[in-house]
Amino acid sequence: DTAVSQTPKYLVTQMGNDKSIKCEQNLGHDTMYWYKQDSKKFLKIMFSYNNKELIINETVPNRFSPKSPDKAHLNLHINSLELGDSAVYFCASSQDSHSYEQYFGPGTRLTVT
Amino acid sequence: DQQVKQNSPSLSVQEGRISILNCDYTNSMFDYFLWYKKYPAEGPTFLISISSIKDKNEDGRFTVFLNKSAKHLSLHIVPSQPGDSAVYFCAARVFGNEKLTFGTGTRLTIIP
Repeated sequence: DTAVSQTPKYLVTQMGNDKSIKCEQNLGHDTMYWYKQDSKKFLKIMFSYNNKELIINETVPNRFSPKSPDKAHLNLHINSLELGDSAVYFCASSQDSHSYEQYFGPGTRLTVT
Repeated sequence: DQQVKQNSPSLSVQEGRISILNCDYTNSMFDYFLWYKKYPAEGPTFLISISSIKDKNEDGRFTVFLNKSAKHLSLHIVPSQPGDSAVYFCAARVFGNEKLTFGTGTRLTIIP
């Protein structure tokens, strides 16, 4: 009955590979987000989708591409992984784009070697 | 440009005492503030929030105070309990903007 789930929880891969992280929410929310928490513990938003439509696209390399097949899912695909992509990636959702409270998934720790 | 700052990376408090976590911000357009709590290997969970039209919001053991002139907010936990040991993030939002801006967190340790 997990509200916001992410897979995988851990991901270790080599530079240059392509990988995807999946996120699903069963809260019936309209809006979903991807955040990156780097080594300095900064939690920064990357993307936000509202009803499958991209509404926030921060300054993120083109190698990162979000995909929302439906409003309950928001996946993150990363091409040509670099060492600096190592971080914890959190998915979150909110009732709608105007809601202040966001519900977070458990995070995916990505390590690029 | 770090618009939300939590200058204390860690804080230790005796069980039963008051824990005070601080947060400063620079963007005067922020109009809503939130505190999130995070346990290891879990995502942040919402704790309490406050609108800029208020200066205090209370929920059980948790109280958030907002001083707009000083661009400062604080989270008070009283009495502190061992289960409160976690990392606490302050976050802020501009009205009409979906983006939450987070601080870097303060690790609170409650000493039994």
